[in-house]
Amino acid sequence: DVKVTQSSRYLVKRTGEKVFLECVQDMDHENMFWYRQDPGLGLRLIYFSYDVKMKEKGDIPEGYSVSREKKERFSLILESASTNQTSMYLCASSLSGSSGSTGELFFGEGSRLTVL
Amino acid sequence: AQSVTQLDSQVPVFEEAPVELRCNYSSSVSVYLFWYVQYPNQGLQLLLKYLSGSTLVKGINGFEAEFNKSQTSFHLRKPSVHISDTAEYFCAVSRYNNNDMRFGAGTRLTVKP
Repeated sequence: DVKVTQSSRYLVKRTGEKVFLECVQDMDHENMFWYRQDPGLGLRLIYFSYDVKMKEKGDIPEGYSVSREKKERFSLILESASTNQTSMYLCASSLSGSSGSTGELFFGEGSRLTVL
Repeated sequence: AQSVTQLDSQVPVFEEAPVELRCNYSSSVSVYLFWYVQYPNQGLQLLLKYLSGSTLVKGINGFEAEFNKSQTSFHLRKPSVHISDTAEYFCAVSRYNNNDMRFGAGTRLTVKP
């Protein structure tokens, strides 16, 4: 089974702190994604990566950055956390579309971040 | 880009009643369609998917969905729900050979005894 592991299930941070959310997948997937989930808004794509050291902006990249130094690991960084970044963050991975993948995503259990 | 609309934000039903969760999509090209389920305090897991072929797709836990190209819909159904089906359900669409999946806003299904 594909396993996507997010390092922290619950975090509480203060405004202005730097926050790292880590995600690791064990199925050699090329693609990795960070989504933000808010009530009534569904999942919104923050960033995705289709290869090591590659990244693409999603729909709401402002206030976030990402790092992918190794294929299995994709990190989301909040340089200076703000209260409007309080949310559930979901990491996902998938096979590359060029390999005939349907784009099916495999999700981690989520990291609930509260910024005070 | 493709997009998804889930027509109901909340659906309350009684146990053993049938349920339909509605989903419409828009895309100018061929798509793959998915339903994901999220139980409280968990990530999303795949319920079922439509790739091609038969328009009626069966998934886990007794759910099924029907792809209707003319109406650009992919509604999720279950003939008899259980308390344990209480969860949030997300419809999603991706384009052929593309890595970009788009999600609807979600439908919260609450099954009451």
